[in-house]
Amino acid sequence: EAGVAQSPRYKIIEKRQSVAFWCNPISGHATLYWYQQILGQGPKLLIQFQNNGVVDDSQLPKDRFSAERLKGVDSTLKIQPAKLEDSAVYLCASSLTGRREKLFFGSGTQLSVL
Amino acid sequence: AQKVTQAQTEISVVEKEDVTLDCVYETRDTTYYLFWYKQPPSGELVFLIRRNSFDEQNEISGRYSWNFQKSTSSFNFTITASQVVDSAVYFCALSADYNQGGKLIFGQGTELSVKP
Repeated sequence: EAGVAQSPRYKIIEKRQSVAFWCNPISGHATLYWYQQILGQGPKLLIQFQNNGVVDDSQLPKDRFSAERLKGVDSTLKIQPAKLEDSAVYLCASSLTGRREKLFFGSGTQLSVL
Repeated sequence: AQKVTQAQTEISVVEKEDVTLDCVYETRDTTYYLFWYKQPPSGELVFLIRRNSFDEQNEISGRYSWNFQKSTSSFNFTITASQVVDSAVYFCALSADYNQGGKLIFGQGTELSVKP
């Protein structure tokens, strides 16, 4: 079974530039999550989708971050404009139903904002 | 408020030693789930266990065991006879707040280093 795919693996940008991350969840998984993991910290949920609807985006900085889930499958997370404090690993995860079951994570995108 | 505390930032042991990773959580919900994940250097978090708040039985899986104590709000993880391959960052996480999708709240993680 294919896992959660993310790209790119690494990204280096300058502050005020834009960046986009892509995620392809496990086939058939209804729930998709984007987490931000700052160095030395645990992952923090940015947004949770159930199919193509948003369940929780309470911690998404909406003035600069946006996310969409196309047709309830792939998802894109965008940052525009980036700030230095956005340097982190962005993890995508998926689960079958979203009912507090185990999550399957991708390898993440490591973003460095200079 | 929901919170998970992993007080041990780093632990270093020699191979074959037993090691316990501590996890303390806070929640007002009566129904919640606790998880442990492993994050090896590759970066991908790997699920280890899920436990619901109504099941306080300890669990053993090979060299891994988990001790859940509601009275102390703790969910500790023990690795018996540690191996070099156990070196990773381990995260304890809490899923509560069902009305808000039961989002997973992670502790800060414990970095385990197992030396040969």
